[in-house]
Amino acid sequence: AQTVTQSQPEMSVQEAETVTLSCTYDTSENNYYLFWYKQPPSRQMILVIRQEAYKQQNATENRFSVNFQKAAKSFSLKISDSQLGDTAMYFCALCTSGSRLTFGEGTQLTVNP
Amino acid sequence: GAGVSQSPSNKVTEKGKDVELRCDPISGHTALYWYRQSLGQGLEFLIYFQGNSAPDKSGLPSDRFSAERTGGSVSTLTIQRTQQEDSAVYLCASSLRKYSYEQYFGPGTRLTVT
Repeated sequence: AQTVTQSQPEMSVQEAETVTLSCTYDTSENNYYLFWYKQPPSRQMILVIRQEAYKQQNATENRFSVNFQKAAKSFSLKISDSQLGDTAMYFCALCTSGSRLTFGEGTQLTVNP
Repeated sequence: GAGVSQSPSNKVTEKGKDVELRCDPISGHTALYWYRQSLGQGLEFLIYFQGNSAPDKSGLPSDRFSAERTGGSVSTLTIQRTQQEDSAVYLCASSLRKYSYEQYFGPGTRLTVT
């Protein structure tokens, strides 16, 4: 069975600052993918970034980057130069065997002006 | 191109009635997924389709829930004899193929059972 844990229910950050969201996971499989999804109040789940477990290099997408620690089963998301539009619920998710996504509980991020 | 679409956007129904929720995946995407998002349970997997077949339906919570997919495209999730605990947002996602791993989500259907 796969599990994903996000231990920070809520976080806040000032506009233009950097924030890190934490995620830990557990799986017995060697091949898997990890994702961060963003869900604004509109309810639309938006893919932010993905990481292949076999890649040692951390994924980066513009202001978003991850710190993937495979041995520790940790997958944190760093948002640089935070913007008001980054305010949303962020979900960490694990995918194995090309099938279902297992989600964490979510972290509500608020960016303050 | 067009993303994943779902209809209706919102649905209010009385306890005991049947409801149908529709999902139109991104054109060409062979894999389709249904998830449920509720306050108490978070985001839960319901069922996965590859083409028209459902190799993984282990997340369906009871036999009141069923789903089908036709023509390798549109999918319908049916809930019979709705209960108040069925109230949730039902999300559909699709991906290019089984092993592409990137799932693209629709806007969801908010179901309220009164």
